[in-house]
Amino acid sequence: GAVVSQHPSWVICKSGTSVKIECRSLDFQATTMFWYRQFPKQSLMLMATSNEGSKATYEQGVEKDKFLINHASLTLSTLTVTSAHPEDSSFYICSARVPGLAVRGQFFGPGTRLTVL
Amino acid sequence: AQTVTQSQPEMSVQEAETVTLSCTYDTSESDYYLFWYKQPPSRQMILVIRQEAYKQQNATENRFSVNFQKAAKSFSLKISDSQLGDAAMYFCAYRSDNFGNEKLTFGTGTRLTIIP
Repeated sequence: GAVVSQHPSWVICKSGTSVKIECRSLDFQATTMFWYRQFPKQSLMLMATSNEGSKATYEQGVEKDKFLINHASLTLSTLTVTSAHPEDSSFYICSARVPGLAVRGQFFGPGTRLTVL
Repeated sequence: AQTVTQSQPEMSVQEAETVTLSCTYDTSESDYYLFWYKQPPSRQMILVIRQEAYKQQNATENRFSVNFQKAAKSFSLKISDSQLGDAAMYFCAYRSDNFGNEKLTFGTGTRLTIIP
């Protein structure tokens, strides 16, 4: 149980376009999801916490107008990178917390590799 | 703010031998959780082991065990009988026990190589 999926797994886009990444909890309802960014050979950096039915909480330094997060249902959160530029190229990972099982930490999706040309 | 430090960017171990990965953290909280995650080349994050700070007993999961020293704020991971499939990046992570603050703070990672 506790499977998290992401779509797409890999995307290439032109500079200036927007890209949407989906994160789904497949076998549980996730009131809270998290979005991370990972540059090559670096650690995961939390971008924002996504709460179902409310606005996301962004970490300091993350542009909320550039990285739009929508958590419209208990099984789906989306991250939209607006007006993407080459410096936005990175590996984006989502995770979800299983309600009532906080001690188990977070379950992670397989990640999405974004390349902006 | 909490910080997590992994001072070993790379480690290597002979297959079937034992290796220990280090992790220290800084916090003013008394209740929290600590985790070790594994990230293989597929980049899928996999939970290896977790420790609740209020528990004095060190967690163990098959070949994986931790040495949790709360006073020293140290949380090392020991991998026994290393296998080729253990090769990966290992991240130590901290999570507060405060409701509403459930984000994970990760260390910089240790790349583990298994030598056949």
